[in-house]
Amino acid sequence: DVKVTQSSRYLVKRTGEKVFLECVQDMDHENMFWYRQDPGLGLRLIYFSYDVKMKEKGDIPEGYSVSREKKERFSLILESASTNQTSMYLCASSSRWGRGAYEQYFGPGTRLTVT
Amino acid sequence: QKEVEQNSGPLSVPEGAIASLNCTYSDRVSQSFFWYRQYSGKSPELIMSIYSNGDKEDGRFTAQLNKASQYVSLLIRDSQPSDSATYLCAGGMDSSYKLIFGSGTRLLVRP
Repeated sequence: DVKVTQSSRYLVKRTGEKVFLECVQDMDHENMFWYRQDPGLGLRLIYFSYDVKMKEKGDIPEGYSVSREKKERFSLILESASTNQTSMYLCASSSRWGRGAYEQYFGPGTRLTVT
Repeated sequence: QKEVEQNSGPLSVPEGAIASLNCTYSDRVSQSFFWYRQYSGKSPELIMSIYSNGDKEDGRFTAQLNKASQYVSLLIRDSQPSDSATYLCAGGMDSSYKLIFGSGTRLLVRP
């Protein structure tokens, strides 16, 4: 079974803090993704990575950065947290090969509150 | 037109009935499609993948893909209250590993 884990289920941070969200997958997947999900706005892609040290901006990268130093780990960084970044953050991974290349598997999510 | 469109619902069906969830997609979306189930407060869970035109069955779930009409559907037979959730339709994009998600359809199964 694919397993994607995220470092925290719930997180409360103050405005201006630097926030790190960690994601680890154990299926040797090449692709990893960070989304945020807000009521009425659905899932929105922030960044994705298709290989170690490789990244590509998604639909809403402003205010975020990412790091992928190892294949199994993908980090999302909020350089200076703001209240409008309060959201559910979801990490996902997928293989690059074969028919299953698009199948994304999600972690449990981190509900971040910025006060 | 959104790239992947779903009716937001809620779709309400009685227990034991067939729930039919539909999704349409644009030309930008490729031929791989997925259905995810998401319970309130939880993350999406992949329940069906379909790559070819036609039907694919897995237990109580049947996914249907019609490329000519650009729609994909999910049928849930013998619906149970535990099936009450939001169902997300997603499609892959050509030359990318990204998925485009619909906004989801909320399903309520009444006991």
